[in-house]
Amino acid sequence: EAGVVQSPRYKIIEKKQPVAFWCNPISGHNTLYWYLQNLGQGPELLIRYENEEAVDDSQLPKDRFSAERLKGVDSTLKIQPAELGDSAVYLCASSQTGGFYNEQFFGPGTRLTVL
Amino acid sequence: SQQGEEDPQALSIQEGENATMNCSYKTSINNLQWYRQNSGRGLVHLILIRSNEREKHSGRLRVTLDTSKKSSSLLITASRAADTASYFCATRDNQGGKLIFGQGTELSVKP
Repeated sequence: EAGVVQSPRYKIIEKKQPVAFWCNPISGHNTLYWYLQNLGQGPELLIRYENEEAVDDSQLPKDRFSAERLKGVDSTLKIQPAELGDSAVYLCASSQTGGFYNEQFFGPGTRLTVL
Repeated sequence: SQQGEEDPQALSIQEGENATMNCSYKTSINNLQWYRQNSGRGLVHLILIRSNEREKHSGRLRVTLDTSKKSSSLLITASRAADTASYFCATRDNQGGKLIFGQGTELSVKP
């Protein structure tokens, strides 16, 4: 069974440029998560989708970040414009549902460097 | 914001030794989970312990939970070089079900 797929794996951009990350969750998983992981820290949730609906986006900086999950499958996370402080790893995860005991499966992440 | 605090931040042991990592959290939880992250890769779920459970085993892993002290520990017995990774605890509350991670313990197992 294929795991969570993310692309690109690495991205280097200059500040003020836009950037987009793509995630393909495990087939059949209704819940999709985007996390931000700073160096030496644990992941922090940015947004959670149940199918195509964003049910928790309270931690998403909406002035520059946006996300979408069209058709309830793939998802895209965008930053526009990027700032130096956005340099981090962006992780995508999925689970069968958003239930309390559901295991989350993580992708390898996209490492973003903003110069 | 991160709920969990893990101790130690880094741990270095020899192969065959046991490794113990601790996690403390602040608010009441529904369950606590442990994840492993190898360098440059995504997180892998290891074990979940519910708030009404005190101990759980999975292979060489043993997890304990003390809700009165708001703390958990992860014990890896007979460690192997392949166990070298960062280990994170994550808590899930009874409201929104959001998973909140600690800052992790970096484990190094030397052959």
